[in-house]
Amino acid sequence: EIVLTQSPATLSLSPGERATLSCRASQSISHYLAWYQQKPGQAPRLLISDASNRATGIPARFSGSGSGTDFTLTISSLEPEDFVVYYCQQRSNWPLTFGGGTKVEIK
Amino acid sequence: EVQLVESGGGLVQPGGSLRLSCAASGFKFSIYWMTWVRQVPGKGLEWVANIKQDGSETYYVDSVKGRFTISRDNARNSLYLQMNSLRVEDTAVYYCARDGVDSVTKYHWGQGTLVTVSS
Repeated sequence: EIVLTQSPATLSLSPGERATLSCRASQSISHYLAWYQQKPGQAPRLLISDASNRATGIPARFSGSGSGTDFTLTISSLEPEDFVVYYCQQRSNWPLTFGGGTKVEIK
Repeated sequence: EVQLVESGGGLVQPGGSLRLSCAASGFKFSIYWMTWVRQVPGKGLEWVANIKQDGSETYYVDSVKGRFTISRDNARNSLYLQMNSLRVEDTAVYYCARDGVDSVTKYHWGQGTLVTVSS
């Protein structure tokens, strides 16, 4: 099973700042990584597929990068609605796995 | 507009059974992979099961193998999860999600249905 480790668990930043979230895989997953955002009380929403492809309707301030075992989700300038939880997910191997999540909170 | 509406959740005793349904609309259901993902309230996401377009391939997380069965009815645009021998640790919100045509990235999600396993 491929383990995805997200860091940090919590990221404390101010609106307007840049957020950098990390997802590390226990073995190479090529570019088969997605990022999701989850707001309280809501279902997750796809942000990024295949490491760097922004999903339909996702603002340009969200970007993804990486390949192999190391991946990054960057939010270039945090808006108030971005202070929520983010998950990564690999589709390279069965079973599919999610990372433990990173909570972005207001500093 | 893609819509996924789960139903069938509720309270069940340990060892009991439950069948979840997901009604899909707004897209051509038969050409997409479909999936179930669960989340213990306040915790992270856990993938549960996937099914290919024609039902010929199914995949499960180890913890539910032999107890849960994912299925679909393309004529009814519906996805199902039959859950047997339920355990307390199966308590979670269960989400139905639509994947891609040739990818198991979760592009669209339903709002979820809560399953509580308790005596």
